[in-house]
Amino acid sequence: DQQVKQNSPSLSVQEGRISILNCDYTNSMFDYFLWYKKYPAEGPTFLISISSIKDKNEDGRFTVFLNKSAKHLSLHIVPSQPGDSAVYFCAASGDSGGGADGLTFGKGTHLIIQP
Amino acid sequence: DAGVTQSPTHLIKTRGQHVTLRCSPISGHKSVSWYQQVLGQGPQFIFQYYEKEERGRGNFPDRFSARQFPNYSSELNVNALLLGDSALYLCASSPPQGNYGYTFGSGTRLTVV
Repeated sequence: DQQVKQNSPSLSVQEGRISILNCDYTNSMFDYFLWYKKYPAEGPTFLISISSIKDKNEDGRFTVFLNKSAKHLSLHIVPSQPGDSAVYFCAASGDSGGGADGLTFGKGTHLIIQP
Repeated sequence: DAGVTQSPTHLIKTRGQHVTLRCSPISGHKSVSWYQQVLGQGPQFIFQYYEKEERGRGNFPDRFSARQFPNYSSELNVNALLLGDSALYLCASSPPQGNYGYTFGSGTRLTVV
């Protein structure tokens, strides 16, 4: 039973436009959410996170929105750049990010930025 | 600054064999976690170690074990390898204050034949 779901295996966006990646979760005990970016042959790289007490967090071109009632979060990238082409993983934690429970990851969305 | 380093980068083993994977965390990080990423899936949590003690364990059989050394480096051991153990094994370290974004290594690609 997948507790974190990324229902779009891939997403193609034109350079300069907004990329929106979506993530749904089922476990109401999750209280901390993260987005990671992964290039081939590299480990995941932390992008941005959000605590369940917030509904938005922004860092440069990246914004994460959290809708707790819908158990849904999204990552917005504006404007999209060619270097953003990668696999994006949504992850969730139930221990305020402390780590003992580990992170539960989705299957990832492959974002392709078209020139 | 050196990031999280893992060795070896690639490994081929035969079914039934044993394997040891190694990880060195970022200097100053006392927590190390291990994840397994099977092709087409997201990483799956195996263990977390903090100050040489196991703090968390995912849903993996007892064939999987780990330990952390006084210098905070870590080993992941897998006994009686199965074909299904073929995966990318990722190590991540985090500072003492908690997660807030693990730093992952590039992983060890294990192939079991």
